[in-house]
Amino acid sequence: DTAVSQTPKYLVTQMGNDKSIKCEQNLGHDTMYWYKQDSKKFLKIMFSYNNKELIINETVPNRFSPKSPDKAHLNLHINSLELGDSAVYFCASRGTDSGNTIYFGEGSWLTVV
Amino acid sequence: DAKTTQPPSMDCAEGRAANLPCNHSTISGNEYVYWYRQIHSQGPQYIIHGLKNNETNEMASLIITEDRKSSTLILPHATLRDTAVYYCIVRVAFTGTASKLTFGTGTRLQVTL
Repeated sequence: DTAVSQTPKYLVTQMGNDKSIKCEQNLGHDTMYWYKQDSKKFLKIMFSYNNKELIINETVPNRFSPKSPDKAHLNLHINSLELGDSAVYFCASRGTDSGNTIYFGEGSWLTVV
Repeated sequence: DAKTTQPPSMDCAEGRAANLPCNHSTISGNEYVYWYRQIHSQGPQYIIHGLKNNETNEMASLIITEDRKSSTLILPHATLRDTAVYYCIVRVAFTGTASKLTFGTGTRLQVTL
């Protein structure tokens, strides 16, 4: 059983298109995140949701719209895709253990052409 | 969150101990040291965390200096599968819903035969 699963794993699309990445966690966690890792491998937080509520929005362009239908799901919708959106997007959720371990998904590799 | 400094890369022979240093000279009294790693093409993975005392788990040991201004992650018997980027992150405990992990550039550990 995958704790944090993302789909699709790979996505190639043209500029201007709209696309979505889905994320689901089966760990019962309340807090979920989206991170972006660019071509320079720098991992940066984009959004955080707690129990379906947006908590963190790190000055991400409003073309990016996260949606949390329930606390186990956090989807990422991207409008009008640009070349610079090409990156690996990681979904994550935060545990309630002593270290508040953050569990990451395997990533969704987005290429905009 | 306190800033950390790590060497950009290190090599280690398989079977030997890998000692990864991290400087965090501005760490505050309530800030923890966390270590995560990212194996190529995978999501980041939690390794260990600590506050003041040395910690050990099935993956690694964490040695924190008495003044807490630096720490060392030790992989006791490195294998080729430990080749990854290792991130040292210093932050307060996740006491609020707006808590997040902020990643630096990490240390790229290459384990060789």
